[in-house]
Amino acid sequence: SQKIEQNSEALNIQEGKTATLTCNYTNYSPAYLQWYRQDPGRGPVFLLLIRENEKEKRKERLKVTFDTTLKQSLFHITASQPADSATYLCALATSGTYKYIFGTGTRLKVLA
Amino acid sequence: NAGVTQTPKFRILKIGQSMTLQCAQDMNHNYMYWYRQDPGMGLKLIYYSVGAGITDKGEVPNGYNVSRSTTEDFPLRLELAAPSQTSVYFCASSYSPGGPWETQYFGPGTRLLVL
Repeated sequence: SQKIEQNSEALNIQEGKTATLTCNYTNYSPAYLQWYRQDPGRGPVFLLLIRENEKEKRKERLKVTFDTTLKQSLFHITASQPADSATYLCALATSGTYKYIFGTGTRLKVLA
Repeated sequence: NAGVTQTPKFRILKIGQSMTLQCAQDMNHNYMYWYRQDPGMGLKLIYYSVGAGITDKGEVPNGYNVSRSTTEDFPLRLELAAPSQTSVYFCASSYSPGGPWETQYFGPGTRLLVL
C-alpha cells in the first residue's frame, strides 16, 4: 500500500544551524510534492511546491529537493531560528488527481 | 479576505448525536477539502469537492456526508457520532484550473470530542 514516512521523532537543533527533514514514500509515484508548516492549534500553512521534473526549489531560507529515484524529498531550513519551531508536513499528489496524501509530520524545535 | 473560516472551534458530542461542521471561503476557490487529523498523525482526506454540486470521497468517508450548494460553503455532516470520530477537522480550499499544484489554504480547525 502507499506509504509516506516522516521522522516521527522530534528534531532538536541549535539556532543558526541547518535543519534537514525527510519525507520518504513507497508504492507511490507523485508528480507533485508540497511542504506545509503547522503550528500547535492551527491549520497547516503552505511553504513550497516541487514537481517531479524539478530537482530543487528554494524560497528564502528554505530549500526542497525531490529525488524520484530514492523516493525521497528533503526539506532544509538554513540559519534556523526559534521561530521556525513547528511541525512540518509533506504532502504528495499524482498527476490527474486533486487529492494530496499527507505524511504524519516532523516536529522541529530550534533551541536558542 | 477572511480566507477559510470554520465553525465551531470546539464541540463535545454524545455518542449518536449529529452535527454539521461549517466551512466557508471567500477566495472564490473551486476546490474544497475536508480532512481529519488525529493526534500524532497526518491529515486524512474525508471528502473533497471540485465545484458547486460536485463532491467525491477521500480516504476516510465513512460516517460523514458533505454537500456543496455554493462555491463558498462546504459543510461536513456527522450523522451518528462515534468516539472514533474524535479528532481535529480541517477544511481547506484551493484555486485549481487544472491540477494539484495549487496551494491549499487551511482553516483554523474544529476540535471535536465524542463521549
